[in-house]
Amino acid sequence: AQSVAQPEDQVNVAEGNPLTVKCTYSVSGNPYLFWYVQYPNRGLQFLLKYITGDNLVKGSYGFEAEFNKSQTSFHLKKPSALVSDSALYFCAVRVLGGNKLTFGTGTQLKVEL
Amino acid sequence: DAGITQSPRHKVTETGTPVTLRCHQTENHRYMYWYRQDPGHGLRLIHYSYGVKDTDKGEVSDGYSVSRSKTEDFLLTLESATSSQTSVYFCAVSAGVSTDTQYFGPGTRLTVL
Repeated sequence: AQSVAQPEDQVNVAEGNPLTVKCTYSVSGNPYLFWYVQYPNRGLQFLLKYITGDNLVKGSYGFEAEFNKSQTSFHLKKPSALVSDSALYFCAVRVLGGNKLTFGTGTQLKVEL
Repeated sequence: DAGITQSPRHKVTETGTPVTLRCHQTENHRYMYWYRQDPGHGLRLIHYSYGVKDTDKGEVSDGYSVSRSKTEDFLLTLESATSSQTSVYFCAVSAGVSTDTQYFGPGTRLTVL
């Protein structure tokens, strides 16, 4: 069975500071990893994904994520947070040939002035 | 939004009544999915479709049925709504599986009284 853990329900960051939203996964085989963002009363928006190759993946809105196979992690990062980054962030995993995308429980990011 | 619409966007119904939610896409994606989103659970897959009239169950399929008679439409039916089915329902689409990104609709907020 595949699973995703987002250990922090909420992350608070001051605007201008770097942010990290943590994600760890468990799968049999090679993982395909995704990050989505959800703004209030909206659907999920795709941010970035790791399939293969460079462990550092760059995505939308200045976000990036680092795949670490030994630590089974895929943390989302941004060098300088904006108040407008405040939202709910979901990590998700799938495996080769798999239909099922398994989501974490989400991390609420709050960026304050 | 990958050309995905969901209807209705909001619905209040009573226990025991049947409810049908509609997902419509304009970009001819082969795969369509229904998820529910609940606090503390993230998104959980209800059913998915891999082609016209081809559907399969997800992890929380009890009490739900689906149909796909056209590529562009995927219907989710709650056969006899219960209060435990109060949730936000999201439709998603993808061109393929494994590495392909799923794109989400705006959601339907369903309240069962």
